[in-house]
Amino acid sequence: EAGVVQSPRYKIIEKKQPVAFWCNPISGHNTLYWYRQNLGQGPELLIRYENEEAVDDSQLPKDRFSAERLKGVDSTLKIQPAELGDSAVYLCASSSPYEQYFGPGTRLTVT
Amino acid sequence: GQNIDQPTEMTATEGAIVQINCTYQTSGFNGLFWYQQHAGEAPTFLSYNVLDGLEEKGRFSSFLSRSKGYSYLLLKELQMKDSASYLCAVRQNNNDMRFGAGTRLTVKP
Repeated sequence: EAGVVQSPRYKIIEKKQPVAFWCNPISGHNTLYWYRQNLGQGPELLIRYENEEAVDDSQLPKDRFSAERLKGVDSTLKIQPAELGDSAVYLCASSSPYEQYFGPGTRLTVT
Repeated sequence: GQNIDQPTEMTATEGAIVQINCTYQTSGFNGLFWYQQHAGEAPTFLSYNVLDGLEEKGRFSSFLSRSKGYSYLLLKELQMKDSASYLCAVRQNNNDMRFGAGTRLTVKP
């Protein structure tokens, strides 16, 4: 069975440009998370979906970040415009009641 | 709020046993997870505890005490490849997940 799929794996953009990340969760996992991880720190939750509903987006900087999960499967996280401080690894994860699996992440570098 | 504390760094010798502790404060506890993360890679799921006690998986075991807000990850017969960061994460009743900053383990020959 395929794990959590993310793309792209790496992205380099100039500040003020837009960027989007895509995630395909494990089949059957209704809960989907987007995290941001900075070097030497644990993942920080940005948004959580239960099916297609965003049930916790309190940590999402809504002035520039947006996310969607149409049809309750794939999800997209967008940043517009990107700032230098957005450089990080963006991780998608999906979960069942007893386990949570991460995708490989997208390493974003904003120059 | 939710606090999750774990040591920043630990060092151990190949073949030895190491215990990585995690303490947490949360409301509506619904499970504790341990992950392994090698540099430049995504976290890999290791274990899940929701009831008190010890869960064993090969060389790795995880313990939970809900009344004390405490968990540990025990790694036996350490190998060089076990050098990584180990992340403790707590899930609340609403499925919110919060992570500790991670413990960087270095295994030396």
